Amino acid sequence: DTGVSQDPRHKITKRGQNVTFRCDPISEHNRLYWYRQTLGQGPEFLTYFQNEAQLEKSRLLSDRFSAERPKGSFSTLEIQRTEQGDSAMYLCASTKPDHANEQFFGPGTRLTVL
Amino acid sequence: GNSVTQMEGPVTLSEEAFLTINCTYTATGYPSLFWYVQYPGEGLQLLLKATKADDKGSNKGFEATYRKETTSFHLEKGSVQVSDSAVYFCALSPYNFNKFYFGSGTKLNVKP
Repeated sequence: DTGVSQDPRHKITKRGQNVTFRCDPISEHNRLYWYRQTLGQGPEFLTYFQNEAQLEKSRLLSDRFSAERPKGSFSTLEIQRTEQGDSAMYLCASTKPDHANEQFFGPGTRLTVL
Repeated sequence: GNSVTQMEGPVTLSEEAFLTINCTYTATGYPSLFWYVQYPGEGLQLLLKATKADDKGSNKGFEATYRKETTSFHLEKGSVQVSDSAVYFCALSPYNFNKFYFGSGTKLNVKP
């Protein structure tokens, strides 16, 4: 396993701009999760995919946030019209079939909104 | 609803000291419980887990027992090392693992 990868690792943007993050899960992992983590806090669940289907979304995920996993492999998380409150670490995790309780996390994308 | 509360840090210990990090939870149904660890500059890693009441999860000398009667999952280690310095997160997930709920993390500093 090469591990979960995320791109970019760091993103600085101006308020009002759109940003998109990518997550590549471990090969053959069918579940993929997105989290947001702010300084001094634990990860907060945003959304979850099983294959290409988005099965769960947190109320934290406002209409400015959208996530996709079109072919059931990599996923993208887009934030439109960014706000300073969106500044956080965005984490991706994946799990393999029949081991849904063992998440493997990526290194995260740190977003700074100026 | 579902939530996790863990003791605030930082916790500072000398090498070979006994460690306890408290974690309590609120959940609907019968969740699975987890401890994750984040070493400096690294991503979160699963440390141990327990899927039902009275289960004990263990790994790398760390242990935690799923206590339904006290809704707790305290992390313990008999003798900490400097290399255990990290942030520890308690977490729970409902039976279908459609989402995970994390505590706010406890930073552990171990001094030589």
